[in-house]
Amino acid sequence: DTEVTQTPKHLVMGMTNKKSLKCEQHMGHRAMYWYKQKAKKPPELMFVYSYEKLSINESVPSRFSPECPNSSLLNLHLHALQPEDSALYLCASSQAASRGRVSPNYGYTFGSGTRLTVV
Amino acid sequence: SQELEQSPQSLIVQEGKNLTINCTSSKTLYGLYWYKQKYGEGLIFLMMLQKGGEEKSHEKITAKLDEKKQQSSLHITASQPSHAGIYLCGADYQYYGGSQGNLIFGKGTKLSVKP
Repeated sequence: DTEVTQTPKHLVMGMTNKKSLKCEQHMGHRAMYWYKQKAKKPPELMFVYSYEKLSINESVPSRFSPECPNSSLLNLHLHALQPEDSALYLCASSQAASRGRVSPNYGYTFGSGTRLTVV
Repeated sequence: SQELEQSPQSLIVQEGKNLTINCTSSKTLYGLYWYKQKYGEGLIFLMMLQKGGEEKSHEKITAKLDEKKQQSSLHITASQPSHAGIYLCGADYQYYGGSQGNLIFGKGTKLSVKP
């Protein structure tokens, strides 16, 4: 299995709702990432997990809460979002070397994304 | 300032023509990645380059990383409508002290191929 699976593919939520995005991989990758992509913009890094521990938080607002319950799963919990948070949310995974250093030799595998609309 | 500059921003070519997309970094790269994206979809991995002077090919797409590891080019030979999409270069800059890598993207090149 060489895929990163993201669910749901589309999500519409109100500003008072609580929802979660899910990401799953079975490639044995120990580094997992959340990216946010606005229309006509490149993906921007939000969070990095290495060996199930949060290693990078790119100053993301607290209404986004990541969780890595095990080495195969990555969640992004959403609460009290704003319309400007509407975007494509991409999950990625890669091999992770010791001490949290990503080895680029294995590349980064991306999921198909969740299209989020906040109304 | 943008660490990774991609050019051109958009490109329209006639089917069968060759084309080149460039990606220039403001500092030395540890790894350079090329991805393709259809609008609103995930990123499809094309190639990864790490060594200065490295060149890789897959079907009609060739990517090179220059000796100084600060510039890469993606060349498509005899373009087809199936090549249309957004091409993104991504850079991995080496971090020291055990910190995690961070894949940074250029702004992308939108390619349209006219039949």
